[in-house]
Amino acid sequence: DAGVIQSPRHEVTEMGQEVTLRCKPISGHNSLFWYRQTMMRGLELLIYFNNNVPIDDSGMPEDRFSAKMPNASFSTLKIQPSEPRDSAVYFCASKSGAGSGEQYFGPGTRLTVT
Amino acid sequence: GENVEQHPSTLSVQEGDSAVIKCTYSDSASNYFPWYKQELGKRPQLIIDIRSNVGEKKDQRIAVTLNKTAKHFSLHITETQPEDSAVYFCAALGDSGYALNFGKGTSLLVTP
Repeated sequence: DAGVIQSPRHEVTEMGQEVTLRCKPISGHNSLFWYRQTMMRGLELLIYFNNNVPIDDSGMPEDRFSAKMPNASFSTLKIQPSEPRDSAVYFCASKSGAGSGEQYFGPGTRLTVT
Repeated sequence: GENVEQHPSTLSVQEGDSAVIKCTYSDSASNYFPWYKQELGKRPQLIIDIRSNVGEKKDQRIAVTLNKTAKHFSLHITETQPEDSAVYFCAALGDSGYALNFGKGTSLLVTP
């Protein structure tokens, strides 16, 4: 299995631009998580999908952030408009079922907003 | 909500020594405690986990202990090697049943 796939791996954009991050979970996994990692705040859960349905988006920092999961093999995280404080590494993770058990992280997208 | 505190934030040991990282959690309903290792520029990867019905679990050179009464759990690495150098994160599964609350991480450096 290829594991969780994320694209792009690096993104540099100017403030005010729209940014779209993409994730392909492991086949058969029905739970998907988007995390943001910064030195100051560590690993923060942004949104959780189960069976393609957003269950908890309380971690989404502002209305500028939105996420979708149109099918079991694809999810996007969009930031519009982007701001310098959005600079971080964004990870997508997937797991089988809900509850306890290993979350498999993707390689992450390093976002820099100038 | 769940709050996970992790100490120390940095730890330097000599190769062959043991390393211990400690975490505390606040939600007594938490029942799953994984540890993730993140090498520089890489993704977090699970190295060991423990459920609340178990007090200790070992896997070769790593072990985790859990004290539910005191609400703390620890990672023990014995016979450390330079390739153990990484950031280690503890986490607790909160009462949501899906959200992992992560500690801030411990940067472990193993010097030859």
